Amino acid sequence: ILNVEQSPQSLHVQEGDSTNFTCSFPSSNFYALHWYRWETAKSPEALFVMTLNGDEKKKGRISATLNTKEGYSYLYIKGSQPEDSATYLCAFRGYGGSQGNLIFGKGTKLSVKP
Amino acid sequence: DVKVTQSSRYLVKRTGEKVFLECVQDMDHENMFWYRQDPGLGLRLIYFSYDVKMKEKGDIPEGYSVSREKKERFSLILESASTNQTSMYLCASSQTGTAQETQYFGPGTRLLVL
Repeated sequence: ILNVEQSPQSLHVQEGDSTNFTCSFPSSNFYALHWYRWETAKSPEALFVMTLNGDEKKKGRISATLNTKEGYSYLYIKGSQPEDSATYLCAFRGYGGSQGNLIFGKGTKLSVKP
Repeated sequence: DVKVTQSSRYLVKRTGEKVFLECVQDMDHENMFWYRQDPGLGLRLIYFSYDVKMKEKGDIPEGYSVSREKKERFSLILESASTNQTSMYLCASSQTGTAQETQYFGPGTRLLVL
């Protein structure tokens, strides 16, 4: 059974703080790593899809890095704002298996206090 | 923009009832998925479909069935609802054939089985 771990489980920061969290995944058979943001009462929204070792992606104040050899990805948020409060999910996709299947971590719940 | 809609946001049913959860996507995606999300657990795949009338079991198919008669619609059926099926149910869709293959999610249905 493939395991995707996210840490920390939850995080409380003040507005303006920068923060980061980790996603660990199997280092063999890697195909893609997805990050999603899931705000309360909304649909999970795709942030990044990363496929190459060393990939770095950026969207505004949010960025992500990928290390497929050691099996981890970091998500960084610079200068957190209250609207960044959400659960951040990562999902691993390996080669083979059924099309499009993602294995999700349990998420990191971020709360940003004004 | 991709839109994935689910028939209900909240649903209350009684033990033993047959329950239908409907999902519709408007982007002609081949793949559709049903997940459930419970506190402390990641998104867990119940069933997915990669084409009309095609379905495959996910990680937790017991107690569920699915139907995909049209490409845009994927239904999750609880043949005889039980209290342990109280959960948040999320539908998603994705386009086959790209490394990205981002999944697009609906807003979720929160089901309470009494």
